[in-house]
Amino acid sequence: TQLLKQSPQFLSIQEGENLTVYCNSSSVFSSLQWYRQEPGEGPVLLVTVVTGGEVKKLKRLTFQFGDARKDSSLHITAAQPGDTGLYLCAGEVQGGATNKLIFGTGTLLAVQP
Amino acid sequence: NAGVMQNPRHLVRRRGQEARLRCSPMKGHSHVYWYRQLPEEGLKFMVYLQKENIIDESGMPKERFSAEFPKEGPSILRIQQVVRGDSAAYFCASSRQLNEKLFFGSGTQLSVL
Repeated sequence: TQLLKQSPQFLSIQEGENLTVYCNSSSVFSSLQWYRQEPGEGPVLLVTVVTGGEVKKLKRLTFQFGDARKDSSLHITAAQPGDTGLYLCAGEVQGGATNKLIFGTGTLLAVQP
Repeated sequence: NAGVMQNPRHLVRRRGQEARLRCSPMKGHSHVYWYRQLPEEGLKFMVYLQKENIIDESGMPKERFSAEFPKEGPSILRIQQVVRGDSAAYFCASSRQLNEKLFFGSGTQLSVL
């Protein structure tokens, strides 16, 4: 069974602080996606990383895909209350139907004003 | 352009009843995916359909669960003889082509009494 473990599970920080969320697996994925989910809503795609070692930036968010394509990290600089939400990583299974995603366990982020 | 529409948003059923969850993909999208989010667990893939065809149902429980995506009308996820363990948020996602971005609906929260 392919598993994606995220850490930390919960994170409560003050506005302006930096944070990093980790997504780890023993399996190799052909690509990895990061989503943000708000209460009562579906996940919204933030970014897709495909190449080992790839780094992508989205404003204050920096995403990195590990060299071996088994892990990923999300770094948020100067967090704002609007960043509050559940962050999910999702790996695309190698050799399987595209978009059959394995989702991580999630990191619940609360940014206090 | 309306997003992925799921209804109902909330569904309450008693044990033994049937639950029907509907999903209308985004306009122009012919690929539909169903995921289930159990309490304290991550999103789990259930089934992938294209118009009139089930492509991958490897995540569907063997009994009581079925899915369809007819030529006309929404995709339907049907759960017969529901049990308490079926209580979860069920999310539908769609994409235009196989390798393209997934858009998720807001989900149906199923509660089995």
